[in-house]
Amino acid sequence: ETGVTQSPTHLIKTRGQQVTLRCSSQSGHNTVSWYQQALGQGPQFIFQYYREEENGRGNFPPRFSGLQFPNYSSELNVNALELDDSALYLCASSSGTDDHNSPLHFGNGTRLTVT
Amino acid sequence: KQEVTQIPAALSVPEGENLVLNCSFTDSAIYNLQWFRQDPGKGLTSLLLIQSSQREQTSGRLNASLDKSSGRSTLYIAASQPGDSATYLCAVGNGQNFVFGPGTRLSVLP
Repeated sequence: ETGVTQSPTHLIKTRGQQVTLRCSSQSGHNTVSWYQQALGQGPQFIFQYYREEENGRGNFPPRFSGLQFPNYSSELNVNALELDDSALYLCASSSGTDDHNSPLHFGNGTRLTVT
Repeated sequence: KQEVTQIPAALSVPEGENLVLNCSFTDSAIYNLQWFRQDPGKGLTSLLLIQSSQREQTSGRLNASLDKSSGRSTLYIAASQPGDSATYLCAVGNGQNFVFGPGTRLSVLP
């Protein structure tokens, strides 16, 4: 069973630039969620994708957008980067929104630094 | 709006001790609660998931309880080991996403 993989592991960008982060979900999982974790805090929900559609969104501005592909992998795009976007971005997969008790399985994250 | 808190923020214990980590949440209308472990700079590892209809779950030296009516969960770690040192986070599931607490940073001293 292949776990959740994220790329890249680290990234440094300049304020105002755009970034794309990638995630491959665990085999058999069709739902992907993205979380932002600032240093010393718990993860904050960005959005969730199910069957290639956004299926819920947290309190993040529209410059945070995403995609899910037919193989259930996903991308997180952030435009017009701000210094406060510096964080660990975590992708989690689960086995479907119909199963409300499906546990989340996380990747190791992408550490984004905005200078 | 669901809010999740964890007490204590940090804990340091000698090896072999049994310990309890606490998690509180404000809205009892939850689907489940999941406990995670996070090592520095890494992602989250799922430890236990308790469904809203359950009272507890056990895995090895870990036991998690849930009291939905009072908005509380505890994670009990028996016979702690240095390898248990990590940050432990609880997350409350609302059927679509999870709301996380800030975590408890645990250090187990040899």
